[in-house]
Amino acid sequence: KNQVEQSPQSLIILEGKNCTLQCNYTVSPFSNLRWYKQDTGRGPVSLTIMTFSENTKSNGRYTATLDADTKQSSLHITASQLSDSASYICVVNRSGYALNFGKGTSLLVTP
Amino acid sequence: DGGITQSPKYLFRKEGQNVTLSCEQNLNHDAMYWYRQDPGQGLRLIYYSQIVNDFQKGDIAEGYSVSREKKESFPLTVTSAQKNPTAFYLCASSISGTVGETQYFGPGTRLLVL
Repeated sequence: KNQVEQSPQSLIILEGKNCTLQCNYTVSPFSNLRWYKQDTGRGPVSLTIMTFSENTKSNGRYTATLDADTKQSSLHITASQLSDSASYICVVNRSGYALNFGKGTSLLVTP
Repeated sequence: DGGITQSPKYLFRKEGQNVTLSCEQNLNHDAMYWYRQDPGQGLRLIYYSQIVNDFQKGDIAEGYSVSREKKESFPLTVTSAQKNPTAFYLCASSISGTVGETQYFGPGTRLLVL
């Protein structure tokens, strides 16, 4: 079954600290993996997209990694800010098929 | 949110009533999508359209209907047949509808049943 599992479900960290969010998937055949940030009550915004051959991709303080062999991805946030508080959604695309969405990790950054 | 607008931000529906959610984009994208988001669940595809006057059912189309008379507009009607309509509804668009290309999301409409 094509699934996308994210962990943890929720996370609370202090401002300035780093954190890492996990995404494991069983989607096959794999085409690409995308991380979205969704602020409360808003639509998701794409942070990064990674294809099979890419291991790491950065977007400012956000760094995504992909291990296509183990079917795992992570999103690392460096020096967190209050504005990082949001839900982070992992989306995996099966080649030729629709998108598979994870349930998201809810991140709260506190002062 | 880019060039995608959704209205209204909040919508209330009475039992047995049909309601229509608006989605407009000025990105000149061919493809448009409707998703439903429930707490603790991933986004689920309701309908999508890759070209004007054509659309396909997604994973949870029952109780919903759409139209695509103009490239810029893709309204979603939640019919009385949808027994659990309370959710956050997201509209998205992409350039051509190729699976996996970047989808740009609107700000969403929250539908509540009275």
